[in-house]
Amino acid sequence: NAGVTQTPKFRILKIGQSMTLQCTQDMNHNYMYWYRQDPGMGLKLIYYSVGAGITDKGEVPNGYNVSRSTTEDFPLRLELAAPSQTSVYFCASSSQVTITGNYGYTFGSGTRLTVV
Amino acid sequence: DAKTTQPNSMESNEEEPVHLPCNHSTISGTDYIHWYRQLPSQGPEYVIHGLTSNVNNRMASLAIAEDRKSSTLILHRATLRDAAVYYCILRGSGGSNYKLTFGKGTLLTVNP
Repeated sequence: NAGVTQTPKFRILKIGQSMTLQCTQDMNHNYMYWYRQDPGMGLKLIYYSVGAGITDKGEVPNGYNVSRSTTEDFPLRLELAAPSQTSVYFCASSSQVTITGNYGYTFGSGTRLTVV
Repeated sequence: DAKTTQPNSMESNEEEPVHLPCNHSTISGTDYIHWYRQLPSQGPEYVIHGLTSNVNNRMASLAIAEDRKSSTLILHRATLRDAAVYYCILRGSGGSNYKLTFGKGTLLTVNP
């Protein structure tokens, strides 16, 4: 059981380049999320999805796009990379339902992106 | 979302208990108290959660004040592997309350 898998683990981009951060989960979770974490800070929500075909903006969506064509995959797209997007990106997923109050939030191991 | 207040950092010695405090004076009656931790260079991981009663699991214990305005995460015997940032997060039940909002957390240093 792999949980949440993110690729790549590291990437260096030049200003203006584009790339897609991949995220896939095998827990059949409906909810998926993208966070970014700047040095010494907590995680900030970029985008989230409550199911295939449904996405919505989080706290810091500018400069990013997402899509959700399947339950398993939730890629994050950077169209025109800027130095301000240098960060560590975490993908996460969670269950839609709970009995105990724990939605089973599971995080990937992150993608460290540097824009130069 | 109701906010939480945690100390920026705490220090402990190995094999000693650690009590990590969290204040949440504006907590609502349906908010669960969740704790996550983030080990160096890893994504956050779930530690424990509770609503009103104290909770224990294999990782930690959660002590919740009677008025629910504060809580304490207890690591009974800290190890070097417990060195991490610990986040206290309030999360409502049901509806659109599925998103986690992270603050800066408490950086726990464990000394050998």
